Order: sequence, then structure tokens, then C-alpha cells
Amino acid sequence: QQQVKQSPQSLIVQKGGISIINCAYENTAFDYFPWYQQFPGKGPALLIAIRPDVSEKKEGRFTISFNKSAKQFSLHIMDSQPGDSATYFCAATNYGGSQGNLIFGKGTKLSVKP
Amino acid sequence: NAGVMQNPRHLVRRRGQEARLRCSPMKGHSHVYWYRQLPEEGLKFMVYLQKENIIDESGMPKERFSAEFPKEGPSILRIQQVVRGDSAAYFCASSPARGPYEQYFGPGTRLTVT
Repeated sequence: QQQVKQSPQSLIVQKGGISIINCAYENTAFDYFPWYQQFPGKGPALLIAIRPDVSEKKEGRFTISFNKSAKQFSLHIMDSQPGDSATYFCAATNYGGSQGNLIFGKGTKLSVKP
Repeated sequence: NAGVMQNPRHLVRRRGQEARLRCSPMKGHSHVYWYRQLPEEGLKFMVYLQKENIIDESGMPKERFSAEFPKEGPSILRIQQVVRGDSAAYFCASSPARGPYEQYFGPGTRLTVT
């Protein structure tokens, strides 16, 4: 009930291409879905987040698509750049009921080739 | 405008020793979360604290681990009698309050048990 499943585990994209990372969840009580970016040796940094009352949120080259009925959400990185090479984690939580601790996916290691 | 600070950044302990990890939240933040990240894994929630209170410790191992967030000073995650399986990166995150607020992560403490 608490799992967040993330795919793919790793992803190689050419510079300028679109990177797509998918996540699926089981707990319908989740009401906040952030994406974090982590570089080696660093802490996760919040990239973008969405709530289930909208189906899409865009910030610059980063877009979250959310499908409530399918219990899935995805991160799209447009015009991918070598500097985007990092590990990306999706997460979910239920701020309305629980204490707000994030449930993380296992991560996707993105490599953008020049 | 300092972010979340953690120290030490790297900690080496021999089996059976104690490890103390410190976390200073962002200015104005009174809520702290601790997460553990094993190699090639996502982050796992351990404990959620407010000043002088443990709110949720459901992710904390029952033995050897403890956490505190005193009225003055940083939050401390304490691991007694460390074992090799405790080797991991430990991250803390802070937020200004409980609820739909973003969690900002520190750079982590990488614990190695020899």
C-alpha cells in the first residue's frame, strides 16, 4: 500500500531529446507528488511537484503528467542537456492524513549524451 | 541564506562504536525528517521530529537508533553499536511546518562501518 514503483532504472538520452520517467503508486490517499534530482555525493533537490487536482504541471523544461485514475505520474524533461545527467526520484505522501514523510521510488539514473 | 546543514559529511566507525549525525534545518524551519539511502536505492523514511518532540518514528529500527531535536541546537540521529549494515547515506530534510510544505534536503552524512 505504501509503495511507489519507478521505471526505468536507467535511461540514456541524446542531447536535445526527451527524457521520460514513470512512477506508479497504490495508495489512493496520496495527495502530493514531488520529483527530486540528485547528483553524486549531493542531497536530493526538489525539482517540481504536483497535486492530484491537476493533470499536468510545467516548469521550464520539466513537466509532470498525472493520471489519477491509473495512479501514475511521469516526469518529462524536454531538450535534455548533459547537465541534466543525474538520478531522479519520484515520491509521494499523504499530507492530509499522515505526518508527511515522503515515500520514494528507487530512482532513475539519467545519462544525457552530447 | 544557508540551506539545511549536516555534519559530518563523512563518518567512519568501527563495528560496535557509536555514530552521531547532526542536522541543522533551514532558518525558520521547525520540522525535521531523517531518511536513509542505501547504495543504488531510494530514500527510506526513518523519523520525523518537531522541536522537542518525536512526531513519527515508524521508520526507525527498534534497537540502537534514536533521534532528538532539542529546543536549542541541531537535530541528532544517534546509532549505537554500529554494524556493517548501517553503512549508508543519511539525509535530513526540513520544512517550516507540518502539511503540504516542501521538504528541503541537506547534503547528507555518509556513514561507513568497518
